[in-house]
Amino acid sequence: DSGVTQTPKHLITATGQRVTLRCSPRSGDLSVYWYQQSLDQGLQFLIQYYNGEERAKGNILERFSAQQFPDLHSELNLSSLELGDSALYFCASSGGGHNYGYTFGSGTRLTVV
Amino acid sequence: AQSVSQHNHHVILSEAASLELGCNYSYGGTVNLFWYVQYPGQHLQLLLKYFSGDPLVKGIKGFEAEFIKSKFSFNLRKPSVQWSDTAEYFCAVRGYGGSQGNLIFGKGTKLSVKP
Repeated sequence: DSGVTQTPKHLITATGQRVTLRCSPRSGDLSVYWYQQSLDQGLQFLIQYYNGEERAKGNILERFSAQQFPDLHSELNLSSLELGDSALYFCASSGGGHNYGYTFGSGTRLTVV
Repeated sequence: AQSVSQHNHHVILSEAASLELGCNYSYGGTVNLFWYVQYPGQHLQLLLKYFSGDPLVKGIKGFEAEFIKSKFSFNLRKPSVQWSDTAEYFCAVRGYGGSQGNLIFGKGTKLSVKP
């Protein structure tokens, strides 16, 4: 157990639907990062939050959004889902400074049918 | 923008063989460098990291990596692999400052070790 908790572990949904993925960071970590892992694109950085505020955006689609709540957990919302959104979505957390590595959760496997 | 290139998509070795996985990055400034491992069905785990100082970094499970600044490289090595090292290995770089401050991953190298 890495200390980063992601729920659910698996999600199967239909095209056009909306889902929410949840992440609880490791205790004391202020930064949360979301990554998408697919076979063709590899690990793609989506978005970062630090202490409730958006800090950086990567290759995140407009149909996707995220937020970090006062208790520091984060949610990634994926809407108008397409078959190509099927992937593993990882959350990672860190202490926030540059001398910290990232600790990853076990991921949510999203399958869009 | 930063990018990371891992030369090998899939490496197949026999047990006790030596391993070297290549990683090159592009970024002009100061970087932190990482190798992560992902065992089948599991999350990414940190193998080792380089922030500063001795360019030869030792990690867990007998892995090491050498940072060669002039070559923008951070290759991963292990003198003798075991069947349990079968996994996917990801090199990652994080530049200093602004939007470059996030971890950017290479596409990964799948390692298969034959018993």
